[in-house]
Amino acid sequence: AQSVTQLGSHVSVSEGALVLLRCNYSSSVPPYLFWYVQYPNQGLQLLLKYTSAATLVKGINGFEAEFKKSETSFHLTKPSAHMSDAAEYFCAVKAGGYQKVTFGTGTKLQVIP
Amino acid sequence: KAGVTQTPRYLIKTRGQQVTLSCSPISGHRSVSWYQQTPGQGLQFLFEYFSETQRNKGNFPGRFSGRQFSNSRSEMNVSTLELGDSALYLCASVGGEQETQYFGPGTRLLVL
Repeated sequence: AQSVTQLGSHVSVSEGALVLLRCNYSSSVPPYLFWYVQYPNQGLQLLLKYTSAATLVKGINGFEAEFKKSETSFHLTKPSAHMSDAAEYFCAVKAGGYQKVTFGTGTKLQVIP
Repeated sequence: KAGVTQTPRYLIKTRGQQVTLSCSPISGHRSVSWYQQTPGQGLQFLFEYFSETQRNKGNFPGRFSGRQFSNSRSEMNVSTLELGDSALYLCASVGGEQETQYFGPGTRLLVL
Protein backbone atom coordinates (compact mmCIF):
# COMPACT_ATOMS: atom_id res chain seq x y z
CA ALA A 1 0.00 0.00 0.00
CA GLN A 2 1.14 3.53 -0.63
CA SER A 3 -0.07 6.99 0.26
CA VAL A 4 1.09 10.58 0.20
CA THR A 5 0.20 13.53 2.41
CA GLN A 6 0.75 17.14 1.47
CA LEU A 7 0.66 19.44 4.45
CA GLY A 8 -1.09 22.71 3.73
CA SER A 9 -3.58 23.06 0.92
CA HIS A 10 -2.59 26.72 0.52
CA VAL A 11 0.83 28.31 1.05
CA SER A 12 1.61 32.00 0.63
CA VAL A 13 5.10 33.41 0.29
CA SER A 14 6.49 36.79 -0.61
CA GLU A 15 8.33 37.22 -3.87
CA GLY A 16 11.99 36.42 -3.24
CA ALA A 17 11.29 34.33 -0.14
CA LEU A 18 11.98 30.65 0.35
CA VAL A 19 9.38 28.22 -0.97
CA LEU A 20 8.83 25.06 1.10
CA LEU A 21 6.07 22.64 0.16
CA ARG A 22 5.77 19.58 2.36
CA CYS A 23 5.18 16.01 1.30
CA ASN A 24 5.22 12.85 3.40
CA TYR A 25 4.77 9.42 1.92
CA SER A 26 4.03 5.90 2.97
CA SER A 27 5.19 2.91 0.99
CA SER A 28 5.81 -0.75 1.78
CA VAL A 29 8.72 -0.85 -0.66
CA PRO A 30 11.34 1.72 -1.71
CA PRO A 31 9.26 4.28 -3.58
CA TYR A 32 9.57 6.40 -6.64
CA LEU A 33 8.61 9.98 -5.79
CA PHE A 34 7.55 12.84 -8.02
CA TRP A 35 6.60 16.50 -7.87
CA TYR A 36 4.32 18.00 -10.50
CA VAL A 37 3.12 21.56 -11.09
CA GLN A 38 -0.21 22.55 -12.58
CA TYR A 39 -1.03 25.98 -13.92
CA PRO A 40 -4.70 26.99 -14.35
CA ASN A 41 -6.51 25.07 -17.07
CA GLN A 42 -3.46 23.03 -17.94
CA GLY A 43 -2.22 19.50 -17.37
CA LEU A 44 0.41 18.50 -14.86
CA GLN A 45 4.05 19.19 -15.65
CA LEU A 46 6.82 17.07 -14.14
CA LEU A 47 9.09 19.17 -11.92
CA LEU A 48 11.40 16.47 -10.65
CA LYS A 49 11.58 12.82 -9.62
CA TYR A 50 13.44 10.73 -7.10
CA THR A 51 15.18 7.77 -8.70
CA SER A 52 17.21 6.51 -5.72
CA ALA A 53 20.43 7.67 -7.40
CA ALA A 54 20.73 10.76 -5.19
CA THR A 55 18.76 11.98 -2.22
CA LEU A 56 18.86 15.62 -3.34
CA VAL A 57 17.04 15.98 -6.62
CA LYS A 58 17.19 19.07 -8.78
CA GLY A 59 14.34 19.90 -11.10
CA ILE A 60 13.21 22.54 -13.49
CA ASN A 61 12.59 26.21 -12.68
CA GLY A 62 15.05 26.17 -9.77
CA PHE A 63 13.13 23.67 -7.65
CA GLU A 64 14.71 20.85 -5.72
CA ALA A 65 13.58 18.17 -3.29
CA GLU A 66 15.35 16.04 -0.73
CA PHE A 67 14.44 12.43 -0.06
CA LYS A 68 14.65 11.65 3.67
CA LYS A 69 13.93 8.01 4.33
CA SER A 70 14.01 8.36 8.13
CA GLU A 71 11.35 11.05 7.96
CA THR A 72 9.48 9.53 4.99
CA SER A 73 9.52 12.99 3.47
CA PHE A 74 10.14 14.51 0.06
CA HIS A 75 9.71 18.25 0.58
CA LEU A 76 9.96 20.64 -2.37
CA THR A 77 11.99 23.83 -2.02
CA LYS A 78 13.08 26.85 -4.03
CA PRO A 79 15.39 29.49 -2.58
CA SER A 80 13.64 32.51 -4.07
CA ALA A 81 10.01 32.61 -5.18
CA HIS A 82 9.00 34.25 -8.45
CA MET A 83 5.55 35.44 -9.37
CA SER A 84 5.50 32.82 -12.11
CA ASP A 85 5.74 30.06 -9.46
CA ALA A 86 2.13 30.66 -8.44
CA ALA A 87 0.43 27.37 -9.27
CA GLU A 88 -0.75 24.13 -7.69
CA TYR A 89 1.86 21.55 -6.78
CA PHE A 90 1.29 17.82 -6.46
CA CYS A 91 3.47 15.24 -4.78
CA ALA A 92 3.12 11.65 -6.02
CA VAL A 93 4.36 8.22 -4.96
CA LYS A 94 4.73 4.98 -6.81
CA ALA A 95 5.68 1.76 -5.07
CA GLY A 96 7.73 0.56 -8.00
CA GLY A 97 7.03 -1.90 -10.75
CA TYR A 98 3.66 -1.64 -12.38
CA GLN A 99 1.90 -0.06 -9.41
CA LYS A 100 -0.35 2.89 -10.05
CA VAL A 101 0.74 6.37 -9.00
CA THR A 102 -0.91 7.92 -5.95
CA PHE A 103 -1.17 11.71 -5.88
CA GLY A 104 -1.44 14.02 -2.94
CA THR A 105 -4.27 16.49 -2.64
CA GLY A 106 -2.15 19.36 -3.90
CA THR A 107 -0.82 22.61 -2.47
CA LYS A 108 -1.73 25.93 -4.04
CA LEU A 109 1.18 28.32 -3.90
CA GLN A 110 0.44 32.04 -3.83
CA VAL A 111 3.31 34.47 -4.39
CA ILE A 112 2.77 37.92 -2.96
CA PRO A 113 4.56 40.80 -4.68
CA LYS B 1 9.43 14.55 -29.45
CA ALA B 2 5.81 15.53 -29.62
CA GLY B 3 3.99 15.68 -26.30
CA VAL B 4 0.77 14.10 -25.19
CA THR B 5 -2.27 15.08 -27.23
CA GLN B 6 -5.80 15.04 -25.90
CA THR B 7 -8.91 15.72 -27.94
CA PRO B 8 -11.21 17.45 -27.68
CA ARG B 9 -9.98 20.11 -25.26
CA TYR B 10 -13.46 21.23 -24.25
CA LEU B 11 -16.78 19.46 -24.35
CA ILE B 12 -20.32 20.26 -23.27
CA LYS B 13 -22.84 17.44 -22.92
CA THR B 14 -26.19 16.95 -21.28
CA ARG B 15 -27.17 14.39 -18.67
CA GLY B 16 -27.77 10.94 -20.05
CA GLN B 17 -25.51 11.38 -23.05
CA GLN B 18 -22.26 9.56 -23.56
CA VAL B 19 -18.83 10.93 -24.39
CA THR B 20 -15.58 9.62 -25.81
CA LEU B 21 -12.25 11.25 -25.08
CA SER B 22 -9.03 10.54 -26.94
CA CYS B 23 -5.40 10.52 -25.93
CA SER B 24 -2.30 10.09 -28.07
CA PRO B 25 0.78 9.31 -25.96
CA ILE B 26 4.38 10.24 -26.57
CA SER B 27 5.92 8.24 -29.38
CA GLY B 28 7.41 5.02 -28.02
CA HIS B 29 5.36 4.99 -24.83
CA ARG B 30 3.19 1.91 -24.51
CA SER B 31 1.22 2.85 -21.41
CA VAL B 32 -1.49 5.41 -20.80
CA SER B 33 -3.17 6.39 -17.55
CA TRP B 34 -6.38 8.35 -17.14
CA TYR B 35 -7.37 10.63 -14.26
CA GLN B 36 -10.40 12.67 -13.30
CA GLN B 37 -9.73 15.99 -11.58
CA THR B 38 -12.41 17.93 -9.75
CA PRO B 39 -12.16 20.71 -7.15
CA GLY B 40 -13.85 18.55 -4.53
CA GLN B 41 -12.16 15.18 -5.10
CA GLY B 42 -8.80 16.22 -6.50
CA LEU B 43 -6.95 13.86 -8.82
CA GLN B 44 -8.54 10.44 -9.00
CA PHE B 45 -7.11 7.52 -10.92
CA LEU B 46 -9.43 5.97 -13.47
CA PHE B 47 -7.42 3.26 -15.21
CA GLU B 48 -4.15 2.41 -16.88
CA TYR B 49 -3.55 0.57 -20.13
CA PHE B 50 -0.39 -1.12 -21.26
CA SER B 51 -0.08 -2.72 -24.68
CA GLU B 52 -3.86 -2.75 -25.16
CA THR B 53 -4.49 -4.40 -21.76
CA GLN B 54 -5.94 -2.76 -18.69
CA ARG B 55 -3.22 -3.02 -16.06
CA ASN B 56 -4.73 -1.07 -13.17
CA LYS B 57 -8.18 0.23 -12.40
CA GLY B 58 -9.46 2.86 -10.02
CA ASN B 59 -12.68 2.91 -8.07
CA PHE B 60 -15.12 4.28 -10.62
CA PRO B 61 -18.48 2.85 -11.74
CA GLY B 62 -18.79 0.77 -14.86
CA ARG B 63 -20.06 3.80 -16.79
CA PHE B 64 -16.39 4.71 -17.13
CA SER B 65 -14.52 2.54 -19.57
CA GLY B 66 -11.44 2.73 -21.70
CA ARG B 67 -9.43 0.99 -24.32
CA GLN B 68 -6.08 1.18 -25.99
CA PHE B 69 -5.27 0.56 -29.61
CA SER B 70 -2.27 -1.13 -31.17
CA ASN B 71 -0.67 2.27 -31.86
CA SER B 72 -0.92 3.04 -28.11
CA ARG B 73 -3.60 5.68 -28.60
CA SER B 74 -6.24 5.42 -25.93
CA GLU B 75 -9.86 6.38 -25.55
CA MET B 76 -12.05 6.63 -22.53
CA ASN B 77 -15.81 6.55 -22.64
CA VAL B 78 -18.35 7.73 -20.12
CA SER B 79 -21.91 6.57 -20.66
CA THR B 80 -25.11 7.96 -19.14
CA LEU B 81 -23.45 11.17 -18.07
CA GLU B 82 -24.27 12.68 -14.70
CA LEU B 83 -23.75 16.24 -13.50
CA GLY B 84 -21.00 15.00 -11.20
CA ASP B 85 -18.98 13.83 -14.19
CA SER B 86 -18.10 17.43 -14.97
CA ALA B 87 -14.36 17.52 -14.55
CA LEU B 88 -10.98 17.88 -16.15
CA TYR B 89 -9.97 14.51 -17.59
CA LEU B 90 -6.24 14.05 -17.78
CA CYS B 91 -4.31 11.51 -19.75
CA ALA B 92 -0.75 10.59 -18.85
CA SER B 93 1.71 8.96 -21.20
CA VAL B 94 3.83 6.54 -19.21
CA GLY B 95 7.37 5.62 -20.09
CA GLY B 96 11.05 6.01 -19.51
CA GLU B 97 12.77 5.47 -16.20
CA GLN B 98 10.54 4.61 -13.28
CA GLU B 99 7.65 4.61 -15.77
CA THR B 100 7.28 8.34 -15.32
CA GLN B 101 3.95 9.94 -16.19
CA TYR B 102 3.85 12.82 -18.65
CA PHE B 103 0.51 14.58 -18.79
CA GLY B 104 -1.50 16.01 -21.63
CA PRO B 105 -3.39 19.32 -21.39
CA GLY B 106 -6.62 17.60 -20.43
CA THR B 107 -10.19 17.61 -21.69
CA ARG B 108 -12.60 19.76 -19.76
CA LEU B 109 -16.04 18.19 -19.72
CA LEU B 110 -19.11 20.10 -18.64
CA VAL B 111 -22.31 18.15 -18.12
CA LEU B 112 -25.51 20.20 -18.09
